[in-house]
Amino acid sequence: SQQGEEDPQALSIQEGENATMNCSYKTSINNLQWYRQNSGRGLVHLILIRSNEREKHSGRLRVTLDTSKKSSSLLITASRAADTASYFCATDANYGQNFVFGPGTRLSVLP
Amino acid sequence: KAGVTQTPRYLIKTRGQQVTLSCSPISGHRSVSWYQQTPGQGLQFLFEYFSETQRNKGNFPGRFSGRQFSNSRSEMNVSTLELGDSALYLCASSLESGLDYEQYFGPGTRLTVT
Repeated sequence: SQQGEEDPQALSIQEGENATMNCSYKTSINNLQWYRQNSGRGLVHLILIRSNEREKHSGRLRVTLDTSKKSSSLLITASRAADTASYFCATDANYGQNFVFGPGTRLSVLP
Repeated sequence: KAGVTQTPRYLIKTRGQQVTLSCSPISGHRSVSWYQQTPGQGLQFLFEYFSETQRNKGNFPGRFSGRQFSNSRSEMNVSTLELGDSALYLCASSLESGLDYEQYFGPGTRLTVT
């Protein structure tokens, strides 16, 4: 089964609203990364958060990490149509051997 | 700095054939990882190469193989193609091996097996 599981699977919001996506994982991690993928294209790195960090910001993005709950959330504020994409969390589980990606959240931002 | 490039971008092959995909990492990046992305299984790790050596391997059959050259360029090969190998194959490079480094992804190669 997937190490990371994003929730919800799909999210549809209006431009200007905030979007929140969650990622849960099963085993302990050293870091967690969020990526964005526009339809059928490569992934773009958004943020890396380490296990000893609780929150990180990058522009309109805010990522939180709760290691006690084994979960992370990605908040996109003041969303734009260009934010329409799939968002994935990736954890360094699998005994630190490689990244494991969740199934992703498909975000649609309607103009 | 040029991004990660993958060739070809699209490929149609017949079941039983073999295919070779190519990935050129960002200049200076020494680690190259390959992923398979399908609607059903999502993004799955294939393998990682660092300094011409396979560092990690995912849970894929031996039909999937790869290599890395001294200039860090990498190729992956799939032999005896099956219909289920139809997928988007993504290559990602990073400065060093290790999960503390962000990965830079190429646009992918869309493989269709008929």
